[in-house]
Amino acid sequence: AQTVTQSQPEMSVQEAETVTLSCTYDTSESDYYLFWYKQPPSRQMILVIRQEAYKQQNATENRFSVNFQKAAKSFSLKISDSQLGDAAMYFCASLTEGAQKLVFGQGTRLTINP
Amino acid sequence: ETGVTQSPTHLIKTRGQQVTLRCSSQSGHNTVSWYQQALGQGPQFIFQYYREEENGRGNFPPRFSGLQFPNYSSELNVNALELDDSALYLCASSHRDTLRYEQYFGPGTRLTVT
Repeated sequence: AQTVTQSQPEMSVQEAETVTLSCTYDTSESDYYLFWYKQPPSRQMILVIRQEAYKQQNATENRFSVNFQKAAKSFSLKISDSQLGDAAMYFCASLTEGAQKLVFGQGTRLTINP
Repeated sequence: ETGVTQSPTHLIKTRGQQVTLRCSSQSGHNTVSWYQQALGQGPQFIFQYYREEENGRGNFPPRFSGLQFPNYSSELNVNALELDDSALYLCASSHRDTLRYEQYFGPGTRLTVT
């Protein structure tokens, strides 16, 4: 069974600074994918970044990057130059090729202080 | 490119009633997944439809059922509503055959059961 754990219910950061959100996961599958989704107060879940487990190189999307540690089953999200619009709930999720379903963590609420 | 849409936005039902939620997938996508998100929690997988067939189901009772139509839109039906069914229902579309495994979400339907 897949599990995803986010141990930080809330985080806050000053605007323009860098923040890292933590995520650990567990799966017995060898082929899986990891995602970070953002859910602002508007409720719509927005895909932020995606990482294939078979790739050693960490994914990057503009100000968002991940630190993927496969042996430790860790998948953290780094947000650089934080902006007010980054304030949201952030969910880490995993998906295996077999099940094709997203398994989400409990989320981390990120606050950006001006 | 049209994104994922859901209707209605909000719905209030009485315990014991039945409800139908609708989802239109993003253009070019052939797979729809449904998730239930209780307040303050991460989304939970209900089921997935691919080529009009149910393709995987989470830990939800049979009173949760669905359909996918030839145009890849989908419905989620819930019979005999219970108070615990109050939640945000999210629909996500993807293209199963591209092997990218990215799911794109609609804005959700907020269901309140009284």
